[in-house]
Amino acid sequence: DAKTTQPTSMDCAEGRAANLPCNHSTISGNEYVYWYRQIHSQGPQYIIHGLKNNETNEMASLIITEDRKSSTLILPHATLRDTAVYYCIVRGYSGGGADGLTFGKGTHLIIQP
Amino acid sequence: EAQVTQNPRYLITVTGKKLTVTCSQNMNHEYMSWYRQDPGLGLRQIYYSMNVEVTDKGDVPEGYKVSRKEKRNFPLILESPSPNQTSLYFCASRPPLYNEQFFGPGTRLTVL
Repeated sequence: DAKTTQPTSMDCAEGRAANLPCNHSTISGNEYVYWYRQIHSQGPQYIIHGLKNNETNEMASLIITEDRKSSTLILPHATLRDTAVYYCIVRGYSGGGADGLTFGKGTHLIIQP
Repeated sequence: EAQVTQNPRYLITVTGKKLTVTCSQNMNHEYMSWYRQDPGLGLRQIYYSMNVEVTDKGDVPEGYKVSRKEKRNFPLILESPSPNQTSLYFCASRPPLYNEQFFGPGTRLTVL
C-alpha cells in the first residue's frame, strides 16, 4: 500500500472549514484514499473514501487531485466535536484478501472556540 | 442501531491468566478484525476473519488466538497474557466491498 504524509497538527476556528491535506505520491491506479478519525481513545470512525472523483457525504468532502498524488479532506463547518486525529489511508480494493488498514500518525486537528 | 460492541471495556489481569475479550456486531458483516493501539505505534492489526470459520493473521498475531464460529461474534483470546500485551484493543467489522470499517469502543487491557 502507498505511504501517506500528513501534517502532524492543525488548528481551525469553530464554524470555519477545516482543510486537511494528505500526500500519497506513490499511489497506484487501483488504490483508494480513505479517511478515518479518532476522538481521544475512542474507536476510529470512518469518514469517507474515494478513487479519483471528488466525493461528498454528510460528514465531509474529499478532493483528490487529478494526478491522484494528493488529497484534501474538508469539514465544511468545524465544531468542537471535530477535534480528533485524522488518518489518511491508501488501500487497494478489499473485495477479498488481507483486510488490514495501516494507520500512520495522522493529523491532530484542534478546533478552537 | 448499527454497532460493534466489546466486553469488557477495561480489564486488569496478571501474567499467565487466560482471558477472552468478546466482540459482537449487528450489521451482518462478513469481515471482522482485531487491532491493538500503542503509543507511538499506531493501530496494528492482530487477526482478521473474512467469514465464519475463516481467519488469518494480521501484522502482530503472536500471543493471540481468535475464533469465528458465528458471523456476529469474533472473540480475541489471550491464552497466557504477558505485560507486553498491555494495550488498547479495538474490534472492527465491515461489509465485503471497500474498507469502510466500523470500530468498537475499545478494551483497555493491563497485564501486571
